[in-house]
Amino acid sequence: GAGVSQSPRYKVTKRGQDVALRCDPISGHVSLYWYRQALGQGPEFLTYFNYEAQQDKSGLPNDRFSAERPEGSISTLTIQRTEQRDSAMYRCASSLGWGTGTDTQYFGPGTRLTVL
Amino acid sequence: SQQGEEDPQALSIQEGENATMNCSYKTSINNLQWYRQNSGRGLVHLILIRSNEREKHSGRLRVTLDTSKKSSSLLITASRAADTASYFCATDQQGGSEKLVFGKGMKLTVNP
Repeated sequence: GAGVSQSPRYKVTKRGQDVALRCDPISGHVSLYWYRQALGQGPEFLTYFNYEAQQDKSGLPNDRFSAERPEGSISTLTIQRTEQRDSAMYRCASSLGWGTGTDTQYFGPGTRLTVL
Repeated sequence: SQQGEEDPQALSIQEGENATMNCSYKTSINNLQWYRQNSGRGLVHLILIRSNEREKHSGRLRVTLDTSKKSSSLLITASRAADTASYFCATDQQGGSEKLVFGKGMKLTVNP
């Protein structure tokens, strides 16, 4: 079916506000990943899920960041009390989840977050 | 932290020429993937090579992997203006979760 979709594509918010970023993976994909990409850099891992289980959240920078995937499909990345340093492109990816060494991750278009 | 390092960081060539980009990494891997990012657009997967493979082809792309040197190269043959983009290598580390660790990327400019 369609590729990975993310919404909103652009989000401008004021410092201190909470934001929720949504990711809709490719239908049937077991694994879902969140990355953050600063300008001029490669994406950096934040967290990932297999089905609804959060497998690794070692990349979340602090406890203001959280993610969920309650029904094993759509995922939401929430940033509380946003700070200017949170401004970045937030990218979601999904993969079939067949296992290590075989999986291609397909990326969505990203959400550009700007914190004023 | 980023593991891959692409080299060179920027490359400018003429249409029709070949472009070679290199990637070095630090830890043992399960696979290495190359992605392309056009200006203002998403990351597009190009090719995946597993740790037990040495070379792989896809259209005008040729990827090699040398696990003893912890390095990979991406060759684009007969380049086109549309190949202008940033290219990233990303590794799936052995023994870790299935996250990808990306390099900083390499900017390729193909002049018409």
